[in-house]
Amino acid sequence: NAGVMQNPRHLVRRRGQEARLRCSPMKGHSHVYWYRQLPEEGLKFMVYLQKENIIDESGMPKERFSAEFPKEGPSILRIQQVVRGDSAAYFCASSSQEFNQPQHFGDGTRLSIL
Amino acid sequence: AQKVTQAQTEISVVEKEDVTLDCVYETRDTTYYLFWYKQPPSGELVFLIRRNSFDEQNEISGRYSWNFQKSTSSFNFTITASQVVDSAVYFCALLTGYSSASKIIFGSGTRLSIRP
Repeated sequence: NAGVMQNPRHLVRRRGQEARLRCSPMKGHSHVYWYRQLPEEGLKFMVYLQKENIIDESGMPKERFSAEFPKEGPSILRIQQVVRGDSAAYFCASSSQEFNQPQHFGDGTRLSIL
Repeated sequence: AQKVTQAQTEISVVEKEDVTLDCVYETRDTTYYLFWYKQPPSGELVFLIRRNSFDEQNEISGRYSWNFQKSTSSFNFTITASQVVDSAVYFCALLTGYSSASKIIFGSGTRLSIRP
């Protein structure tokens, strides 16, 4: 019974490159959330998606960041033209559709920008 | 506004001591959930507990216990007879929004170091 799967676990990019982070939710879960954890800080909400829909992107930076959750396949968090400040751990969580169901977190992707 | 405050940035105690991690939250919603997560040095998030706003019963799980008090908007976490393996960063978190737009708000975390 696989939990939330994130890959890669670690990702290294040079400034200006693109980073793609993947998240496969738990089986049966249709809600996906992305959070960012900057060094020595707590997690901050970025975006909430359902299949083919962005529900809440209030925590997403206005530029260079985008997210999708297609009908088939994992959710993708995409960061274009990465900068040093993008270095962080990115966590994905998933839940079923009921409000009172907990969010289950993946192990995160650690993004390092050289 | 929704907010979670963990005033203790770092705590260091000697093994076998009891330690309490404080958490104060703010929300205007009447329906909400509170969480504690543990983040060991390996970096993953380990779910510890979830409480809903209608259940103020304290909970005990082995050496862990939680004290939820709505009157003071607090949800404190106590580790009894601490062990070195308890060393980690602990996050308190709040989930509000009785709708599809629910998101978890995390505190800034308390780094707990248990010395042998």
